[in-house]
Amino acid sequence: AQSVTQLDSQVPVFEEAPVELRCNYSSSVSVYLFWYVQYPNQGLQLLLKYLSGSTLVKGINGFEAEFNKSQTSFHLRKPSVHISDTAEYFCAVSLSGGSNYKLTFGKGTLLTVNP
Amino acid sequence: DTAVSQTPKYLVTQMGNDKSIKCEQNLGHDTMYWYKQDSKKFLKIMFSYNNKELIINETVPNRFSPKSPDKAHLNLHINSLELGDSAVYFCASSRQPYGYTFGSGTRLTVV
Repeated sequence: AQSVTQLDSQVPVFEEAPVELRCNYSSSVSVYLFWYVQYPNQGLQLLLKYLSGSTLVKGINGFEAEFNKSQTSFHLRKPSVHISDTAEYFCAVSLSGGSNYKLTFGKGTLLTVNP
Repeated sequence: DTAVSQTPKYLVTQMGNDKSIKCEQNLGHDTMYWYKQDSKKFLKIMFSYNNKELIINETVPNRFSPKSPDKAHLNLHINSLELGDSAVYFCASSRQPYGYTFGSGTRLTVV
């Protein structure tokens, strides 16, 4: 079974600073990887996904993530954050292929951007 | 047009009651899900349906019963509600492998 570990439960940063949210996964087979964002009292919105191909994936709102198979990581980065980026961020994994459509989530990282 | 819509958005009810949450998607996706998000924001899958067929049924009390009348709808019925059922319930749909589209959630409070 697959699992996801988000190494930081909270990340406080100042506005316009760079940020990295860390995610490691565990799986014995190939996976697809995702980052979702949840703003307060809202549902989850897909930021970006890695399915195959280039290991550097660009998403919405200026975020990007890099898939590193040898380190089983999929860290999320943004070069300059805004106050509006304050939200909960979830890394998620699903098995590639087959009929198992289950998306397994990490426990989330609360990004707080301070002025 | 809302892609995945859930109703109601808020639900406050007493212990022991039975309640339902409805979900509809207009994306043409084949697979729909129910997830539970607890007070610590942890998301755990409960059920998944693919073309009206149950394909994932995690360890969930049998007081929870999903029903999918067609592939655009997935409802969740909960019998004999308990305090521990208080959470936010999210419906989602997907067309593999492109990730899920989530509804805005139903905040259930059992008092």
